[in-house]
Amino acid sequence: DVQLLESGGDLVQPGGSLRLSCAASGFTFSSSAMSWVRQGPGKGLEWVSSITGSGASTFYADSVKGRFTISRDNSKNSLFLQMNSLRAEDTAVYYCAKGPNSRTVLCDSWGQGTLVTVSS
Amino acid sequence: EIVMTQSPATLSVSPGERATLSCRASQSVGSNLAWYQQKPGQAPRLLIYGASTRATGIPARFSGSGSGTEFTLTISSLQSEDFAVYYCQQYNAWPGTFGQGTKLEIK
Repeated sequence: DVQLLESGGDLVQPGGSLRLSCAASGFTFSSSAMSWVRQGPGKGLEWVSSITGSGASTFYADSVKGRFTISRDNSKNSLFLQMNSLRAEDTAVYYCAKGPNSRTVLCDSWGQGTLVTVSS
Repeated sequence: EIVMTQSPATLSVSPGERATLSCRASQSVGSNLAWYQQKPGQAPRLLIYGASTRATGIPARFSGSGSGTEFTLTISSLQSEDFAVYYCQQYNAWPGTFGQGTKLEIK
C-alpha cells in the first residue's frame, strides 16, 4: 500500500524558516512526480509546488516562488519542502501527494498532512 | 493561470437522492480534470481523473463527465458517507489549480 508520512510542521515566527519532509513507501518513488498542497484553516486546497520523478524540473505557485524550494532524494524515498521568509498567510496543513506518473500535478495518493503555524 | 469555478458552494441533498456538482475552467483543459473528496479532519481522496475515470476503489455511484471547460460530478444515490467537500482540479497546465470546493450536506 502507498504510504506518505509528512513531518516537520511547527509553530514558527514570521520571517522564519521550516523544512518539511515526506517519507514515501509502497510504490516506485522515482517514477512518480510529487507535490505539496496546502489548506489554510477553514479554506480550500491550494497547490504549492511539484517536482518531476527525476527531480530535474520543479514548479511553484506564484505565492511561494522565491521563498519555498522543493526537492527530493530518490535514494531515500523522501520529499522535502524548504520554506523561508514565512508569512502568516502560509499557515496551513501541508499535504504531500504523489502523482501517477513522473510529470504531472495530478495527485492519486495523499499523506495525512503536517500543520505549519506562522505567528508571533 | 487557469481559474476553476465550482457551483454551487453548498448543496443540500437527502440520502438516496442524486447530487450533481459543477466545475468550470476559465480556458480549455481538455479531459485533464480530477475530482477529490475531503471529509472533516481527513486528507483529500482522488475520486475521478481524466474527467470520467474512477480511481481505484471508488464506487460506481460516482461518475464524472465533461470536457474542455465544463465538467460535472454526479453521485447517483447518496450514502451517508458521501457527505463531504468536493474539489475539482485541472492538471492540463501548471499550476494545477483547484476549484474552491462544493460542500455536500444532508438535507
